[in-house]
Amino acid sequence: DGGITQSPKYLFRKEGQNVTLSCEQNLNHDAMYWYRQDPGQGLRLIYYSQIVNDFQKGDIAEGYSVSREKKESFPLTVTSAQKNPTAFYLCATGLAGDYNEQFFGPGTRLTVL
Amino acid sequence: AQKVTQAQTEISVVEKEDVTLDCVYETRDTTYYLFWYKQPPSGELVFLIRRNSFDEQNEISGRYSWNFQKSTSSFNFTITASQVVDSAVYFCALSGDNNDMRFGAGTRLTVKP
Repeated sequence: DGGITQSPKYLFRKEGQNVTLSCEQNLNHDAMYWYRQDPGQGLRLIYYSQIVNDFQKGDIAEGYSVSREKKESFPLTVTSAQKNPTAFYLCATGLAGDYNEQFFGPGTRLTVL
Repeated sequence: AQKVTQAQTEISVVEKEDVTLDCVYETRDTTYYLFWYKQPPSGELVFLIRRNSFDEQNEISGRYSWNFQKSTSSFNFTITASQVVDSAVYFCALSGDNNDMRFGAGTRLTVKP
């Protein structure tokens, strides 16, 4: 069954702890993206990767880190440096190159207590 | 800089009414693509349509239709005979030369029975 998996759906962490959000895909897409969504706002790009072992910062990369060791996986770490980490995080994939639509996973809602 | 504006924060209609969601964009790119996504309560964004900047033909897909007007930088989305299942947040997005997809803030549509 093709698709994008994000786990877990809900995640709770204490302030000051790093947390890693998982994103796995079996669509054979080269490009992967991480977005953050806050209430009443659109999606904001955190990081993206067009190819394995390479990734670029988006608009709000501070306090986040990523890796792209495999084509299928693009984990996002929310570090303690992120001042306001509570949000809904969406992973997306797409074909490499310009102008392509992106396909989204179910999202992870992170709450930092 | 690219920007997408969805001025309607929330819209509420009664089932079977027609409803139009507005999207206005700004870009300096000659070539760009516009997108609409639907985000149901489950949270996952669902791709609806992609339209390139050289194709101003309106498109109809079932009860959905899209009106692209380059002269007014708008890409509006109309749902005909709305249904309760249409209730969701709808996002308009723009992708330009640098493959940087920009999302609007979204419009929350509520269709009441």
